[in-house]
Amino acid sequence: AQSVAQPEDQVNVAEGNPLTVKCTYSVSGNPYLFWYVQYPNRGLQFLLKYITGDNLVKGSYGFEAEFNKSQTSFHLKKPSALVSDSALYFCAVRMGGSYIPTFGRGTSLIVHP
Amino acid sequence: NAGVTQTPKFQVLKTGQSMTLQCAQDMNHEYMSWYRQDPGMGLRLIHYSVGAGITDQGEVPNGYNVSRSTTEDFPLRLLSAAPSQTSVYFCASSAESRYFTEAFFGQGTRLTVV
Repeated sequence: AQSVAQPEDQVNVAEGNPLTVKCTYSVSGNPYLFWYVQYPNRGLQFLLKYITGDNLVKGSYGFEAEFNKSQTSFHLKKPSALVSDSALYFCAVRMGGSYIPTFGRGTSLIVHP
Repeated sequence: NAGVTQTPKFQVLKTGQSMTLQCAQDMNHEYMSWYRQDPGMGLRLIHYSVGAGITDQGEVPNGYNVSRSTTEDFPLRLLSAAPSQTSVYFCASSAESRYFTEAFFGQGTRLTVV
């Protein structure tokens, strides 16, 4: 079984400040973890993924995520937020042998000027 | 490459009508899936396919049918539309030869059932 939780429905941050969007997961086995972003009236776009190796993963648009196996977390981070980062962010998990990713409920990121 | 193409972008149906949402991908991906997105519910899997001729149910399959006669196309059929099917529908594809590949999503179809 696999599940993912995004504990915050909304995250507010001022432009220029660091941002964190939280994600925790549960899988029976090694996890494959993903972050996607959805801009208004658009489909989801891939940001980054963790498969194996270095726990810090770098992705598109300056985003990065840190895999923490002991805390079963995969938080999305960016050192300096932009207003244009405002969007809906989804965390997803798959385990080896499963075709089907499980998505979190999404976190709305609002970056204030 | 066009990626994943969904049509139509918007649709209004009357209760009881049927229709087909189209999805096509040009990346030769084995895996295709349909999700619905509702406020506060995230993405819920309706049906998926791991290759031509192979489909299976997801989390919320009732009221929907799918078929996969080619690698490229994966249409979603609403048999008798109900107001509860008002939602935004997304089609996604990925290369399943490697489990760690990311999914590519279409732009979505916003469906309203009145």
